[in-house]
Amino acid sequence: SYVLTQPPSVSVAPGETARITCGGNDIGSKSVHWYRQRPGQAPVLVIYYDDNRPSGIPARFSGSNSGNMATLTISWVEAGDEADYYCQVWDGGTDQYVFASGTKVAVL
Amino acid sequence: EVQLAESGGGLVQPGRSLRLSCAASGFTFDDYAMFWVRQAPGKGLEWVSSISWNGANTAYAASVRGRFTISRDNAKNSLYLQIHSLRAEDTALYYCAKDINRGSTGTSTWPFDYWGQGTQVTVSS
Repeated sequence: SYVLTQPPSVSVAPGETARITCGGNDIGSKSVHWYRQRPGQAPVLVIYYDDNRPSGIPARFSGSNSGNMATLTISWVEAGDEADYYCQVWDGGTDQYVFASGTKVAVL
Repeated sequence: EVQLAESGGGLVQPGRSLRLSCAASGFTFDDYAMFWVRQAPGKGLEWVSSISWNGANTAYAASVRGRFTISRDNAKNSLYLQIHSLRAEDTALYYCAKDINRGSTGTSTWPFDYWGQGTQVTVSS
């Protein structure tokens, strides 16, 4: 089965930039989506198809995907960005949706 | 406004069955594939099952195939998940979610754009 790997945690100061990586074999050939889950809340789609933002998601959120790594970048981090972030792909080889284990972003 | 409201969870003994429901509103329900995703306590997200806009195509995670059945009633704007032979490892918050793309099959590269608040399933004797 296809495996996605994220760092367990990332710490960042307000106003700085947070980069959350999502590793997978040839992930650059897949479409990567990112979800934010604040404590006690349902997940929210923040980036889809590698680098597209749904309406309502600020431009501070951006994404990239190449080779064996996809990255979610949060610029000008705010306290409200503190959450768990998950990357997700569709694995056509096994007909399964795959989520990574998630990264907890802590705002110092 | 898109709304998804799950129900049907609870405390259930191992080996029993349970049926989860998801009531949808604020969009044309029968245009979109729908999904169930679960989250065990303190753990990450796990896709469970998908169903196409018309119910003709379904898919399941390997961990639940054969015990879970997804279905939908487009006339009632409702999604269901029938769970049989419940196990302790099925304990989780179960979310329903909507495909972002109209006419989708539920087995594609498209993401999930709206999620409900979840219904808790606890399996314990």
